[in-house]
Amino acid sequence: EPEVTQTPSHQVTQMGQEVILRCVPISNHLYFYWYRQILGQKVEFLVSFYNNEISEKSEIFDDQFSVERPDGSNFTLKIRSTKLEDSAMYFCASSTDGSGANVLTFGAGSRLTVL
Amino acid sequence: GESVGLHLPTLSVQEGDNSIINCAYSNSASDYFIWYKQESGKGPQFIIDIRSNMDKRQGQRVTVLLNKTVKHLSLQIAATQPGDSAVYFCAENSRMDSSYKLIFGSGTRLLVRP
Repeated sequence: EPEVTQTPSHQVTQMGQEVILRCVPISNHLYFYWYRQILGQKVEFLVSFYNNEISEKSEIFDDQFSVERPDGSNFTLKIRSTKLEDSAMYFCASSTDGSGANVLTFGAGSRLTVL
Repeated sequence: GESVGLHLPTLSVQEGDNSIINCAYSNSASDYFIWYKQESGKGPQFIIDIRSNMDKRQGQRVTVLLNKTVKHLSLQIAATQPGDSAVYFCAENSRMDSSYKLIFGSGTRLLVRP
């Protein structure tokens, strides 16, 4: 069964450092997403991406965050200057379409720990 | 504002019993709902979905019920097994201008006692 693949599985970084989280969505999917989950809390929407541009972003997704699809297969989330509160699981997801009835397939997540 | 929430944070059931996980949503305009299962160390996995023009949908051992009048969603798991132990999230697909985003509830942990 096709999977969404995320790397790294766990990253530890110092506050103020830049972090890039990588995702390989399912190959025939056209819509890509990042969500995050702070330990013990619910999964929160960060950003959606289609046709090489952001289609929607949440209040969490401020100027410190950016997304990119650099080579047609990878989808990356960059945090420019990490803060302690950025520590969370970050999930990438993809879907075939962006309709109101589309199912997102999630990756296993990247755990980010900011010290 | 829009929100999706769960009534019970933890549910403990005996193996073989049926489980019912509940969810309340507040955005009456939402027309598509999904239940996801999250096992420890993994991402959310799709279980079952339902459109707002339905009030019940059945899958293999799982049934989702939708009551639009009271904005309530439930997931029923028949003959619960140890492998069903996980956190379950309901989610609604919320329309934002020209796109949609999936909004998750806070999750219910299901513990299956052997």
